[in-house]
Amino acid sequence: DAGITQSPRHKVTETGTPVTLRCHQTENHRYMYWYRQDPGHGLRLIHYSYGVKDTDKGEVSDGYSVSRSKTEDFLLTLESATSSQTSVYFCAITAAGSNYGYTFGSGTRLTVV
Amino acid sequence: KNQVEQSPQSLIILEGKNCTLQCNYTVSPFSNLRWYKQDTGRGPVSLTIMTFSENTKSNGRYTATLDADTKQSSLHITASQLSDSASYICVVKDWGGKLIFGQGTELSVKP
Repeated sequence: DAGITQSPRHKVTETGTPVTLRCHQTENHRYMYWYRQDPGHGLRLIHYSYGVKDTDKGEVSDGYSVSRSKTEDFLLTLESATSSQTSVYFCAITAAGSNYGYTFGSGTRLTVV
Repeated sequence: KNQVEQSPQSLIILEGKNCTLQCNYTVSPFSNLRWYKQDTGRGPVSLTIMTFSENTKSNGRYTATLDADTKQSSLHITASQLSDSASYICVVKDWGGKLIFGQGTELSVKP
């Protein structure tokens, strides 16, 4: 989607290896989010950021860490990937304000074998 | 527990027909309700955002309704097209700013 890109789009990794997913935005939005999407579940929030170096946990944060050293980049790291982390990961951005829409990236499909 | 339930889970309709998707929520207090369209292999794209004071909002052939008293919303699609085949996700934002996602309705439009 325009203004937000995720990389890589697809990744296969082995159990126990570290993995980093990248979200890059060109909209200069303050808020950035990482979600995971799994069959039978709605999107679930992993971590979010409300500014450079300001991050907080979501509802399914165990096993994940994030960093935001620049406004435009939000990194999601799986320190030691497990099969339960096989999922599709979406990054989202929004400007400040309750009624602003969220713009989602195209997702990263991660398979942990 | 704050929840968003959507029905039906899946739906098949013929091109040109209308359809209505349902969303019931228990989120309280509630800030706004959103409908998203998610094409296969893509991220969700916003269709409408409604606050509790809005009853109806349209976006082209998509019309969303909201009844804040009964905590129900619907998304009506008029004159469906093949490109409407997608998952439609109802999302409620609570006062704390958290988004609660429904599991989506998978719509398939057949020629």
